[in-house]
Amino acid sequence: TQLLEQSPQFLSIQEGENLTVYCNSSSVFSSLQWYRQEPGEGPVLLVTVVTGGEVKKLKRLTFQFGDARKDSSLHITAAQPGDTGLYLCAGGDSGGGADGLTFGKGTHLIIQP
Amino acid sequence: GAGVSQSPRYKVAKRGQDVALRCDPISGHVSLFWYQQALGQGPEFLTYFQNEAQLDKSGLPSDRFFAERPEGSVSTLKIQRTQQEDSAVYLCASSPTHSGFTEAFFGQGTRLTVV
Repeated sequence: TQLLEQSPQFLSIQEGENLTVYCNSSSVFSSLQWYRQEPGEGPVLLVTVVTGGEVKKLKRLTFQFGDARKDSSLHITAAQPGDTGLYLCAGGDSGGGADGLTFGKGTHLIIQP
Repeated sequence: GAGVSQSPRYKVAKRGQDVALRCDPISGHVSLFWYQQALGQGPEFLTYFQNEAQLDKSGLPSDRFFAERPEGSVSTLKIQRTQQEDSAVYLCASSPTHSGFTEAFFGQGTRLTVV
């Protein structure tokens, strides 16, 4: 069973601060996706990373895939209240097939104005 | 439709009652997934369809759970003899291909409460 552990589970910071959340596994994934979920909604994809060591930037968000493709991080610069939500990482299996993503339990992020 | 549509949005069932949850994926999407999300947790995989074929049902928690997609579009997740531990949000997602690298588009979910 492939497991993804996310840390921290909860994070509450002030607007304007920087933060990093982590997604770690003992398994290798062919791809890793980050989603954001707001209350009462389904998760929405932010980014997909597929190459070890890959770094992708999406405005104030920076995503990194570990060299061994077992871990990933999401860094947010100058956090804003609109960044509040549940951040989920999800790993695609090593076969590259779509048998279902493995999700972490998520990081609940609250940005206080 | 523009996105994945799930119905009903909310369902309250008495323990022991059967329920059926519907998912309308994005038109033309090959892959369809069902996930169960407990309060404060990440989604957990239940089952996967490629067109009408159910290729993976390893995540279904018991034989009370059954899913179908008979014509390769709309899918129904059925739960028989509901129990309190079945209370959760049930999410459906669809994807245009059968590749694990493509985006999964999620519906808003059905919140099931078993009383």
